[in-house]
Amino acid sequence: AQKITQTQPGMFVQEKEAVTLDCTYDTSDPSYGLFWYKQPSSGEMIFLIYQGSYDQQNATEGRYSLNFQKARKSANLVISASQLGDSAMYFCAMREGRNTGNQFYFGTGTSLTVIP
Amino acid sequence: EPEVTQTPSHQVTQMGQEVILRCVPISNHLYFYWYRQILGQKVEFLVSFYNNEISEKSEIFDDQFSVERPDGSNFTLKIRSTKLEDSAMYFCASRGGQGSYNSPLHFGNGTRLTVT
Repeated sequence: AQKITQTQPGMFVQEKEAVTLDCTYDTSDPSYGLFWYKQPSSGEMIFLIYQGSYDQQNATEGRYSLNFQKARKSANLVISASQLGDSAMYFCAMREGRNTGNQFYFGTGTSLTVIP
Repeated sequence: EPEVTQTPSHQVTQMGQEVILRCVPISNHLYFYWYRQILGQKVEFLVSFYNNEISEKSEIFDDQFSVERPDGSNFTLKIRSTKLEDSAMYFCASRGGQGSYNSPLHFGNGTRLTVT
């Protein structure tokens, strides 16, 4: 089974509107972290937001928030007030457990296009 | 803000040749990773490194690949005999210092490897 599933290959949103990018995950480890990264066309990977499995509240970072539904194993990224510069690939990732070297599992990404 | 630096930004090599991709992780980070991405698609884990040894590696990371931290700052990925399918963007990443259980990965800007 895939550790991270992103079911939306491409999304469009009108400028200034909010958009939700879906992410579901699969783990039996009670301790894990969920991360979102942005990859613009220039190619760099930019960390956006983090949610820990034991966090009681949804994470927020500026216009980014994470809709964390633990029972459903989903960690959707919400971008409010979309800007043209938000057009990029977005990757959801997970790291399990407390072992030092555990890899980060990445989803296949969602390409977001913001329309003026 | 400290960043992960990778050199070169683009490497072209002939099939069968050896390449070394270089990375300087963030100075107080302890965990180092190599990922690769083919044609802007899935981000694939290669290897993680901690305390001067490999912590975890994927099936991709076969005997043709090796990593090294030759001094206190550099972290290198060597591909001994490159194949056409090794053409990809290679990302170095680092994370965390002491007590950084779920710190995010910080990525370099990548090295685009083209094997001809």
